[in-house]
Amino acid sequence: EVQLVESGGGLVEPGKSLRLSCTTSGFTFDDYAVHWVRQAPGKGLEWVSGISWNSAVVGYADSLRGRFTISRDNAKNSLYLQMNSLRPEDTALYYCARDRYASLSGGNDYWGQGTLVTVSS
Amino acid sequence: EIVMTQSPATLSVSPGDRVTLSCRASQSVTNNIAWYQQKPGQPPRLLISGASARATGIPARFSGSGSGAEYTLTISSLQSEDFAVYYCQQYSDWVTFGGGTKVDIK
Repeated sequence: EVQLVESGGGLVEPGKSLRLSCTTSGFTFDDYAVHWVRQAPGKGLEWVSGISWNSAVVGYADSLRGRFTISRDNAKNSLYLQMNSLRPEDTALYYCARDRYASLSGGNDYWGQGTLVTVSS
Repeated sequence: EIVMTQSPATLSVSPGDRVTLSCRASQSVTNNIAWYQQKPGQPPRLLISGASARATGIPARFSGSGSGAEYTLTISSLQSEDFAVYYCQQYSDWVTFGGGTKVDIK
C-alpha cells in the first residue's frame, strides 16, 4: 500500500523557520517525482514545490522562491521542505504528493493527510 | 506562471443531474491537465490526468475533455458521494491549480 506521511508542522512565530518531512512507503521512492502542496484554512490548493526523482529538476511557486527549499533523500525514502522567514500567510495544511512520473510532469496520484503549519505570534 | 480559472465557483445540483465543470488556462497546456475531487477533511483524490484518462478506480461517470487552453470535467449522473470541491491542475509549465468548483446539493 502506497503511503505518504507528513510531519514537522506546528505553531511557529513569524520570521522563524520550520522543516517538514514526508516519509514514504509501499513504492520505489526514487522512481517518482514528489511535490509539496498547501491549503490555507477554507481555501483552495496551492502548489508549493516539486522535485524530480534524482533531484536534478526542482521547481517552486513564484511567490515562494527564495524562502523555501525542497530536498529528498532517496536512501531514506523521504522528502523535505525547509521553510525560512515564515509569514502568517504561510499558515496552511501542507500535503506531500507523489507525481505519476519520475519527472515533474504527470499530476499527483497519491497524497498524504497533511501536516498543519500555523504562523502566529 | 500559468493561471487556471475554474467556473462556476459553486454549482447547486440534484442527484442524477449531468454536471459540467470548466477550467480555462491562461495559455495552452497541451492536455497536461488533471482533475481532483476533495471532500472535507480529506486530501485531494486524482480523477483524471492527461485531460481525459481516468485514474485507477474512478467510475466511468467521470470524464474529461478539452484541448489547448479549455478543459471540461463531466459527471454524467451525479451520485450523492460526488458532492465535493473539484480542482483542475496544469503541469505543462511547473504546476498551478484552479480555484476550485464546489458542487453542492440544490
